[in-house]
Amino acid sequence: SQQGEEDPQALSIQEGENATMNCSYKTSINNLQWYRQNSGRGLVHLILIRSNEREKHSGRLRVTLDTSKKSSSLLITASRAADTASYFCATFRNSGNTPLVFGKGTRLSVIA
Amino acid sequence: EAGVVQSPRYKIIEKKQPVAFWCNPISGHNTLYWYRQNLGQGPELLIRYENEEAVDDSQLPKDRFSAERLKGVDSTLKIQPAELGDSAVYLCASSLSGHTGELFFGEGSRLTVL
Repeated sequence: SQQGEEDPQALSIQEGENATMNCSYKTSINNLQWYRQNSGRGLVHLILIRSNEREKHSGRLRVTLDTSKKSSSLLITASRAADTASYFCATFRNSGNTPLVFGKGTRLSVIA
Repeated sequence: EAGVVQSPRYKIIEKKQPVAFWCNPISGHNTLYWYRQNLGQGPELLIRYENEEAVDDSQLPKDRFSAERLKGVDSTLKIQPAELGDSAVYLCASSLSGHTGELFFGEGSRLTVL
C-alpha cells in the first residue's frame, strides 16, 4: 500500500506560473522526499526534507513539511515547459527498517 | 559516474512466457530495490536487497516472481510464467547501505504481456 497521497492528481498551468502540489501521509516519518518522472523515464530525486525541518529550498523548488498535519507541499516557481512531468512524494517511516514508500503522483503540464 | 543501468528497456511477450530483467546499480551502493510501476500509479516495492540478502520481499508474488543478487552487485528479476496483469514498468534503484536518503533509479524496463 502507498503511504503518500498527492493532490491534485493532475495540474495544468501556463508557463511562468507557479505550481503547487500537496502530499499527505499517514504515519510518522524520518524524512519526506520528492521525485520527478518524465514520461517513459526513471524517477529523479528532487529534494529531501527531514522530519525536524519545516521548509527547504532548491533553485526554483520550495518544499514545506507540517508533521502535525502529516502533509507536505512542493512549490515550483516560474514554471517552464520542461517542468512537465509527474511528481511523486515518498516517505521513509520512523518505525523499523522500512523502505521508501511512494504516493500516486501529480501529473503536471506546463503549457508554453 | 554511471547511473543505474537496466535492460531490456522494452519487452513484449505472450502470457505464460518467462521474462527476466537485469539491473546494475551504482558502484558502491549496497542497497538495491526492485519497484513495479503500473500506469498512472507510483512505484511499489517488490524486493529490497542489502548486499546479497533480500531484507524485504513481502510484496514479491513468490509463486511466479523470483529475484537474485549474486555477489551483491548486479540483480535479476524473473517472472515465470507471465500473466496479463504483470504488464508494468519494472524499476531498479540503488542507494547507500542503511541510508535513508535519496534513491537513484534506472530508466526502467517496460513489460507488455499479450
